[in-house]
Amino acid sequence: AQSVTQPDIHITVSEGASLELRCNYSYGATPYLFWYVQSPGQGLQLLLKYFSGDTLVQGIKGFEAEFKRSQSSFNLRKPSVHWSDAAEYFCAVGERQTGANNLFFGTGTRLTVIP
Amino acid sequence: EPEVTQTPSHQVTQMGQEVILRCVPISNHLYFYWYRQILGQKVEFLVSFYNNEISEKSEIFDDQFSVERPDGSNFTLKIRSTKLEDSAMYFCAAKGRTQDANTGELFFGEGSRLTVL
Repeated sequence: AQSVTQPDIHITVSEGASLELRCNYSYGATPYLFWYVQSPGQGLQLLLKYFSGDTLVQGIKGFEAEFKRSQSSFNLRKPSVHWSDAAEYFCAVGERQTGANNLFFGTGTRLTVIP
Repeated sequence: EPEVTQTPSHQVTQMGQEVILRCVPISNHLYFYWYRQILGQKVEFLVSFYNNEISEKSEIFDDQFSVERPDGSNFTLKIRSTKLEDSAMYFCAAKGRTQDANTGELFFGEGSRLTVL
């Protein structure tokens, strides 16, 4: 069965510092991988996704993520965090098959940005 | 224009009452989903819907829940008799425009917050 682990419940970083949010998945094959962001009171916005090809994917708002098959990881990074990046971040895995396959989410990592 | 629009944004109801949450995806989506997020917890899959029938449902989606897309536009989630533990944010999602039906990306609405008193 698919599962997603985000080991960090809460991370605090200073504005301008670099950021890495961890995500590990369990799946029998190479899945589709996603990072979503949720600002307070808002819905889920897609940051980036990995389907195939280059294992380093670029997303919106200056985020990137790297798929590492050997580590079953898909960590999210940003070189310089802005105060507006404070939000909840969710990693998700989707099945590589056609049809109404749904997404499985991690428990999320709350990011706090301090001045 | 958002891919998915949800109404209401917030609903407060008494325990035992029926609630209907509505979702309007853009017209050429093929697959529809409901997820929920209890406060402070992760986003959980409830049900997926394709070709006017349920494709998959989770253990959470018991007989109190139902979904339908009666007019080919609105996709609704009905909770027949709400319980306190149904209080959550409910997200509608859609995917599968013709050209990317297999990519797996879901477009989420902004959510409907349900509070059961």
